[in-house]
Amino acid sequence: EAGVTQFPSHSVIEKGQTVTLRCDPISGHDNLYWYRRVMGKEIKFLLHFVKESKQDESGMPNNRFLAERTGGTYSTLKVQPAELEDSGVYFCASSQVRDNTEAFFGQGTRLTVV
Amino acid sequence: QQQVKQSPQSLIVQKGGISIINCAYENTAFDYFPWYQQFPGKGPALLIAIRPDVSEKKEGRFTISFNKSAKQFSLHIMDSQPGDSATYFCAASTESNYQLIWGAGTKLIIKP
Repeated sequence: EAGVTQFPSHSVIEKGQTVTLRCDPISGHDNLYWYRRVMGKEIKFLLHFVKESKQDESGMPNNRFLAERTGGTYSTLKVQPAELEDSGVYFCASSQVRDNTEAFFGQGTRLTVV
Repeated sequence: QQQVKQSPQSLIVQKGGISIINCAYENTAFDYFPWYQQFPGKGPALLIAIRPDVSEKKEGRFTISFNKSAKQFSLHIMDSQPGDSATYFCAASTESNYQLIWGAGTKLIIKP
């Protein structure tokens, strides 16, 4: 069974540009989470989808971040325009159950804004 | 305060030794405490987890010790092996809020 996959694995963009990160969850997993780890800091929750609906987006830093989950399958996280402080590793996780006790993580997308 | 404080930031242990990583929390509503293991280039993977109704949970060489009154929990890796070298994260959440609150991570190196 395929795990959670994220694209791209690395992205280097200039300040002010737009970047879109993609997450393909494990098939059948209704719950999808986005997290971010800024260098050396703790991993922080961004948002939680249940199917195509945003269940909790309280961790989204500001309105430059837009997450979507079309048809309850894959999800995208767009940053527009990107700022230097957006650099970090963005993780996606998915789970079959509503809580996070059995969440599987993707390998992450390392975003560098220069 | 939702914070989870993890220490040490980095740890070097000789092969065969015991690795100990500690976490402290403030929110008494937390009722789920997982530990994640992350290898370079990979995402975090659930290693072991505990709920506050027990004081210890053991799975193979990995043990979580939980002290509810002190609001602390720790990961012990017995007979540490070079393959255990990774970054370890503690986390916590509540039943009513499924957000995981994470520690800052500990980079563990096991020397052969």
